Amino acid sequence: QAVVTQEPSLTVSPGGTVTLTCGSSTGAVTSVHYCYWFQQKPGQAPRTLIYDTSNKHSWTPARFSGSLLGGKAALTLSGAQPEDEADYYCLLFYNDDRWFFGGGTRLTVL
Amino acid sequence: EVQLVESGGGLVQPGGSLRLSCSASGVTFSSYGLHWVRQAPGKGLEHVSFITSNGGRTYYADSVKGRFTISRDNSKNILYLQMSSLRTEDTAVYYCVKNIYDWTGMDVWGQGTTVTVSS
Repeated sequence: QAVVTQEPSLTVSPGGTVTLTCGSSTGAVTSVHYCYWFQQKPGQAPRTLIYDTSNKHSWTPARFSGSLLGGKAALTLSGAQPEDEADYYCLLFYNDDRWFFGGGTRLTVL
Repeated sequence: EVQLVESGGGLVQPGGSLRLSCSASGVTFSSYGLHWVRQAPGKGLEHVSFITSNGGRTYYADSVKGRFTISRDNSKNILYLQMSSLRTEDTAVYYCVKNIYDWTGMDVWGQGTTVTVSS
């Protein structure tokens, strides 16, 4: 069973830039993991921000972007806003038809 | 606008059964893969199950394999999760999630339905 790792918590200043990462215990994260990024605010259902590593949905703010970086998947937030304070989860697909979430990153905008 | 609405949650005793439903509107249901994801109180997200657009392939997390069954009725735009032999650790909010393709591209989430397994 794969283990997906994320930073437990990060802090960013308003207007600043922060990168969240998503690693895999099985090795480098690549495009075949079809990495997803989700945002969840307290009391709400999660919302999909990024799918298939770097694709945005129509509702994804332009300040969010997804990429592969140094063997991990990455979610970069450029120009953080107070409303971006939330929990962020990544999800990876494995070729034995399994999906695993990371433990989540609590992002504080302060 | 695409909407997913889960139902069927509730309080059940350990060892009991429950069937969750997820109704879709605003979308051609039969074209997309569908997932169930759960979140235990105060915990992170866990991928539970997946079904392809035509129902031909399914996937289950090890934690629910042999106890849960995912299915879909494309004529009614409804996704199901039949849960049996429920355990206290199955207590969670259960979300259905739609893909934009068959296997990939998760996009819209439902609002969730709460399952509580307790005596």
